Amino acid sequence: EDKVVQSPLSLVVHEGDTVTLNCSYEVTNFRSLLWYKQEKKAPTFLFMLTSSGIEKKSGRLSSILDKKELFSILNITATQTGDSAVYLCAVGGGGATNKLIFGTGTLLAVQP
Amino acid sequence: DAGITQSPRYKITETGRQVTLMCHQTWSHSYMFWYRQDLGHGLRLIYYSAAADITDKGEVPDGYVVSRSKTENFPLTLESATRSQTSVYFCASARLRDYGYTFGSGTRLTVV
Repeated sequence: EDKVVQSPLSLVVHEGDTVTLNCSYEVTNFRSLLWYKQEKKAPTFLFMLTSSGIEKKSGRLSSILDKKELFSILNITATQTGDSAVYLCAVGGGGATNKLIFGTGTLLAVQP
Repeated sequence: DAGITQSPRYKITETGRQVTLMCHQTWSHSYMFWYRQDLGHGLRLIYYSAAADITDKGEVPDGYVVSRSKTENFPLTLESATRSQTSVYFCASARLRDYGYTFGSGTRLTVV
């Protein structure tokens, strides 16, 4: 059965801290891994990763994929209260159709 | 307005009633999806569509019906609502397979 596991389930940090969120997966016919940020409403797209070892970066956020070990990490440096959200990892795969399989997310709370 | 819109935003219905959740996108994206989001389960795929008149089941399709007669619309119908269908429902669309999905704002459905 295809699955995506995120860790930790939740964490609390203080502004300025650096955090690392983890995503491991077991998905047949892997095609891509995506990270989303979800605040009160709909998930918003952060990154899509398809190749191992190539870091994607956007401001204080960065992510990398390891297709050999089947995981990805999302780093957030110099955290701000606006980074508080649920971070979702999703993997595209699971057969011929276009499906994203989501993890349950990591709830990040950044305290002032 | 351009984008993906869901309606209604909130809905309360009684057990046994039929309910239809609407999803409309203005990009002419080929792919559209319905997910439900529940605590502890993350986002789970209900149904998806690769094009008009092409739909297929996702992970949790029981009790739901979809149709896609036009590319821009993808309604989700609960044939006879049950309390277990109380959830937040997200519609999403994607231009290409594996391209980052864009999510609607969600419909919070409560079945009493």
